[in-house]
Amino acid sequence: AQTVTQSQPEMSVQEAETVTLSCTYDTSENNYYLFWYKQPPSRQMILVIRQEAYKQQNATENRFSVNFQKAAKSFSLKISDSQLGDTAMYFCASASPGAGSYQLTFGKGTKLSVIP
Amino acid sequence: KAGVTQTPRYLIKTRGQQVTLSCSPISGHRSVSWYQQTPGQGLQFLFEYFSETQRNKGNFPGRFSGRQFSNSRSEMNVSTLELGDSALYLCASSPTLAGDETQYFGPGTRLLVL
Repeated sequence: AQTVTQSQPEMSVQEAETVTLSCTYDTSENNYYLFWYKQPPSRQMILVIRQEAYKQQNATENRFSVNFQKAAKSFSLKISDSQLGDTAMYFCASASPGAGSYQLTFGKGTKLSVIP
Repeated sequence: KAGVTQTPRYLIKTRGQQVTLSCSPISGHRSVSWYQQTPGQGLQFLFEYFSETQRNKGNFPGRFSGRQFSNSRSEMNVSTLELGDSALYLCASSPTLAGDETQYFGPGTRLLVL
């Protein structure tokens, strides 16, 4: 079974500043994927970034980057130059084919508020 | 490409009734997964369908069921509704290509059980 833990229920950041959201996971699988999803007030779940466990290089997508520490089972998300539109719930998730399908296991989420 | 669509977007039912939710995946995606989101339990996996077959099922009672059609569209059904079934039901589709199992979500169906 996989577990995902997000230890920060709420965070805030000033506009244009940088913020890091933490996530730790536990899995016995060797082949797995990690994701950050964003859920704004509209409730639409939007993919922010993905990381394949076999890749050592940290994934980046414009202002979003991750710090993937495989040995520590840590997968943090860094948001640079925060914008008001980044205000949302952020969910860390893992997936592996171990159960025959890539079901996502989600953390409880971090509510991020970007302050003008 | 059009995104994942879900219908209806909002639904109000009473206890004991049954409900059917529909999901149309992104064109070309063959896998459809369903998740339930509640304030108390967070996001929980319900089941996943691939090529009309249920590949995996989460820890939910048998009142929750689903199916997938030959065009990859999926439906989920909840029978004998309970107050605790009030939730946001999210559908996600995936291309299931080697190296890309990313799931893309629809806008969800908000179910309120009275």
